[in-house]
Amino acid sequence: NAGVMQNPRHLVRRRGQEARLRCSPMKGHSHVYWYRQLPEEGLKFMVYLQKENIIDESGMPKERFSAEFPKEGPSILRIQQVVRGDSAAYFCASSQDSANTEAFFGQGTRLTVV
Amino acid sequence: SQKIEQNSEALNIQEGKTATLTCNYTNYSPAYLQWYRQDPGRGPVFLLLIRENEKEKRKERLKVTFDTTLKQSLLHITASQPADSATYLCASNSGYALNFGKGTSLLVTP
Repeated sequence: NAGVMQNPRHLVRRRGQEARLRCSPMKGHSHVYWYRQLPEEGLKFMVYLQKENIIDESGMPKERFSAEFPKEGPSILRIQQVVRGDSAAYFCASSQDSANTEAFFGQGTRLTVV
Repeated sequence: SQKIEQNSEALNIQEGKTATLTCNYTNYSPAYLQWYRQDPGRGPVFLLLIRENEKEKRKERLKVTFDTTLKQSLLHITASQPADSATYLCASNSGYALNFGKGTSLLVTP
């Protein structure tokens, strides 16, 4: 049973480009969460999705960031017009039941904006 | 809003000793606390969950406590090994998601 799969593991983008981060949850999991981790900072919640629905996006910046979890395929975190401050590790987690049970994390995507 | 505080100073202990990591919360008592382990360049890995009405939980060499009076949870790692060296994260429930502390780095030396 494969764990949470994220790709790419490393992503380099120039300022102004778009970054697309993908996350395939564990088999049987329909709840997906995205977190961001800055150096020396804790993991910060961004968005919580179920299939085809955004349930809570309170942690996501209002501009340039969007997330989706389509009926088929992985969840996508999209960052438009990236800036240096977007450089961070982005982690996806999935769970089987509703929020706040054991979460399984992927290995993360390390985004570097140059 | 709820704040999860963990000791930012690294904890260095000798192999075989018990490591004790502290997690404090500032406001209301969360319904539960979770502990995760994170190795450099990797995603967090779930260790234990302890509910508000549970005083203690054990799993192999790990023991977690939850003290609502002190607003604190402790993670004890007994008979520590160099392989236990990692950053340990504490998290509380927060709406739909988890509210993480910054983590405490543990280094176990032979």
